[in-house]
Amino acid sequence: RKEVEQDPGPFNVPEGATVAFNCTYSNSASQSFFWYRQDCRKEPKLLMSVYSSGNEDGRFTAQLNRASQYISLLIRDSKLSDSATYLCVVNGGGSYIPTFGRGTSLIVHP
Amino acid sequence: NAGVMQNPRHLVRRRGQEARLRCSPMKGHSHVYWYRQLPEEGLKFMVYLQKENIIDESGMPKERFSAEFPKEGPSILRIQQVVRGDSAAYFCASSPPMTGGYEQYFGPGTRLTVT
Repeated sequence: RKEVEQDPGPFNVPEGATVAFNCTYSNSASQSFFWYRQDCRKEPKLLMSVYSSGNEDGRFTAQLNRASQYISLLIRDSKLSDSATYLCVVNGGGSYIPTFGRGTSLIVHP
Repeated sequence: NAGVMQNPRHLVRRRGQEARLRCSPMKGHSHVYWYRQLPEEGLKFMVYLQKENIIDESGMPKERFSAEFPKEGPSILRIQQVVRGDSAAYFCASSPPMTGGYEQYFGPGTRLTVT
């Protein structure tokens, strides 16, 4: 089982739709969780941290389920500019090295 | 506050030449990570450095690749005797000391093409 798994997609949704991605992780001792966004041929950019209590930033909501070992990202009212690859990142559990998922591709169309 | 800087942005090398990639972390950041990304693939960790120390190089090939982060100046990723398979985007990320590397800020990357 891979350490961090994501559905590669692509998720193809119309503008205004709500879309959700999940990411599962295998190390139960993991401590920190993040979502990054990567546009084509660009560097990853930190989108948001994922806290145990969940967190929301505008149209984006991230949640953590430790019991089932997954994190989720919900995007409401999708915009064309949300089209990108979303990377799940898991940290800790005895390692300094963050583990990146391979990403989920989102395409928002008019 | 300038972000993470990498140079060159694009580098073309012939097989057998050396490639040197530079990374200047954000001001105040003392942790540097290097990653490689092949087309249509995810980020692969290569090496984690702090000033003058290699903390973890478990993701770096044993031969031809080396990295350093001197007391002064940028971090350098060096690839000797490049081969076609080294063609990829190489990203550097930095993080501040207090977070222990948990939140990372990426540079724009160096795209290496080996001909």
